[in-house]
Amino acid sequence: NAGVMQNPRHLVRRRGQEARLRCSPMKGHSHVYWYRQLPEEGLKFMVYLQKENIIDESGMPKERFSAEFPKEGPSILRIQQVVRGDSAAYFCASSPTTGAGELFFGEGSRLTVL
Amino acid sequence: TQLLEQSPQFLSIQEGENLTVYCNSSSVFSSLQWYRQEPGEGPVLLVTVVTGGEVKKLKRLTFQFGDARKDSSLHITAAQPGDTGLYLCAGYTFFSGSARQLTFGSGTQLTVLP
Repeated sequence: NAGVMQNPRHLVRRRGQEARLRCSPMKGHSHVYWYRQLPEEGLKFMVYLQKENIIDESGMPKERFSAEFPKEGPSILRIQQVVRGDSAAYFCASSPTTGAGELFFGEGSRLTVL
Repeated sequence: TQLLEQSPQFLSIQEGENLTVYCNSSSVFSSLQWYRQEPGEGPVLLVTVVTGGEVKKLKRLTFQFGDARKDSSLHITAAQPGDTGLYLCAGYTFFSGSARQLTFGSGTQLTVLP
């Protein structure tokens, strides 16, 4: 059973470009979470999605950031017009049910904005 | 926003020493988890504690959940270099009365020197 798959593992963008990060949850998991992590810091919650629904986006910046989890295909975190402050590791996690249980994390996508 | 504060932020010890990491909050959590994260990887769940006063042991690691379910500690006996990593506590909070999000502490970076 494959784990949570994220790609790309590393992404370099210039200021003003767009970044798209993809996440395929574990088989059988319908709940996806995105977190952002700065070096030597904890994970900051961004958004919680189920298939075709955004359940909680309270951690998402109001502008430039969006997320989706379509009926078919991976979840996508999209960052438009990237700035240097967007440089971070972005982790996706999935779970089979909502709340209380273990989150299974991917290996992360490391975004560097030049 | 319910905050989880971890202390110490950084800890460097010699192999064989004992250590304790703390996770504190002013809020009550329905459950609390501890994760360990190694460089370049996503966090991996170590334990979940649910009941106030609960103590769980995982080999040389002992986890305790405070009676009021606001704080937790992780004690490592006879630390080994393989214990090196970022230790994160995380608690489940309610959103919109039902859905939950996992809120992470700031982390404790542990280095065990041989």
